[in-house]
Amino acid sequence: KQEVTQIPAALSVPEGENLVLNCSFTDSAIYNLQWFRQDPGKGLTSLLLIQSSQREQTSGRLNASLDKSSGRSTLYIAASQPGDSATYLCAVEDTGFQKLVFGTGTRLLVSP
Amino acid sequence: NAGVTQTPKFQVLKTGQSMTLQCAQDMNHEYMSWYRQDPGMGLRLIHYSVGAGITDQGEVPNGYNVSRSTTEDFPLRLLSAAPSQTSVYFCASQGHSSGANVLTFGAGSRLTVL
Repeated sequence: KQEVTQIPAALSVPEGENLVLNCSFTDSAIYNLQWFRQDPGKGLTSLLLIQSSQREQTSGRLNASLDKSSGRSTLYIAASQPGDSATYLCAVEDTGFQKLVFGTGTRLLVSP
Repeated sequence: NAGVTQTPKFQVLKTGQSMTLQCAQDMNHEYMSWYRQDPGMGLRLIHYSVGAGITDQGEVPNGYNVSRSTTEDFPLRLLSAAPSQTSVYFCASQGHSSGANVLTFGAGSRLTVL
């Protein structure tokens, strides 16, 4: 059974810092991996999707990498801003199915 | 605005009552799914559908029923609510963007079972 772990569970940084969020998964036979953002009391917003054949994806200040062989993904946030404060979730989609397995998330607080 | 719409946003039930959480999407997505989110557990898949008339079970299907009579709608039914079903429920639909599957979530429905 696929299991997804995110470390750290919470992170607090001052504005302007570059930071890395980690995601690991137990079964490397994945179809893709997605990173989501969740604001308190809101739904999830897709940030980046990495196909299994890709190594990384970038969107603005966000860069996500994928290493299937080691079962790891990282989300890099450059020059963090208070507006980046949210919970970040990663999820893997097992090959051939439209079902996602989620990690428990990293709660990020960026202080002005 | 295009997207996934969930109703109601909040609901309180008594043990044994039944109710339906509604989900509608206007993006003509084939795939729809229901997740529940509990503290410390992450999101877990309840049921999903790959098209009208086709549904299947996810990781935690017990106590829930679904149907998919149209492409747009995917309601989730609680037949006899239990306190263990207190959770935040998210509906999601999945389409294609630049050849990849991107999941779009609704804003969630917070359910409390007393």
